[in-house]
Amino acid sequence: AQKITQTQPGMFVQEKEAVTLDCTYDTSDQSYGLFWYKQPSSGEMIFLIYQGSYDEQNATEGRYSLNFQKARKSANLVISASQLGDSAMYFCAMRGLGSNYKLTFGKGTLLTVNP
Amino acid sequence: DTAVSQTPKYLVTQMGNDKSIKCEQNLGHDTMYWYKQDSKKFLKIMFSYNNKELIINETVPNRFSPKSPDKAHLNLHINSLELGDSAVYFCASSQDTMNTGELFFGEGSRLTVL
Repeated sequence: AQKITQTQPGMFVQEKEAVTLDCTYDTSDQSYGLFWYKQPSSGEMIFLIYQGSYDEQNATEGRYSLNFQKARKSANLVISASQLGDSAMYFCAMRGLGSNYKLTFGKGTLLTVNP
Repeated sequence: DTAVSQTPKYLVTQMGNDKSIKCEQNLGHDTMYWYKQDSKKFLKIMFSYNNKELIINETVPNRFSPKSPDKAHLNLHINSLELGDSAVYFCASSQDTMNTGELFFGEGSRLTVL
């Protein structure tokens, strides 16, 4: 079975600062994918970034980067230069053979960006 | 054009009624999903179909029945609605069933059972 743990129910950050959202995972799969999604108050699920377990480099997408530490089984999301529009719920998720490739989500972190 | 569209967006109904939520994707994806998001925002998979074939069926009451008439559509029918069924239901699709592709989500359908 696969498990995703997000230990921060809520985080606060000042506008223009960087913030790290934590995610750890547990799996016995050798090959798996890690994902981050954003859910603003309007409710839609927005894909942010993907990291494959065999990717040697950390994934980056604009202001988003994924700090992947395979030995520690962590996949933290780093948001640089936070903006007010970044205030949202953030979900870490993974897919792998052990879960029949379904996307398994963590419980989410609510990020609030203060002006 | 919306990639994954769900209807209706809001649904308010009485306990014991039967209701359906429809989902369509125009991305040409082979795999579609239904997820349930509860009041604590926890997202849990319910079903997954690949090319109209059921491949994932989590522990979901028999009152929930998915139907996939073709690979672009995945509908969810719920019989004898209960208070606990109140949630946001998300349809999603992906290019494949492997671990590399992200899921594209619809906007969600908020079901309220009174």
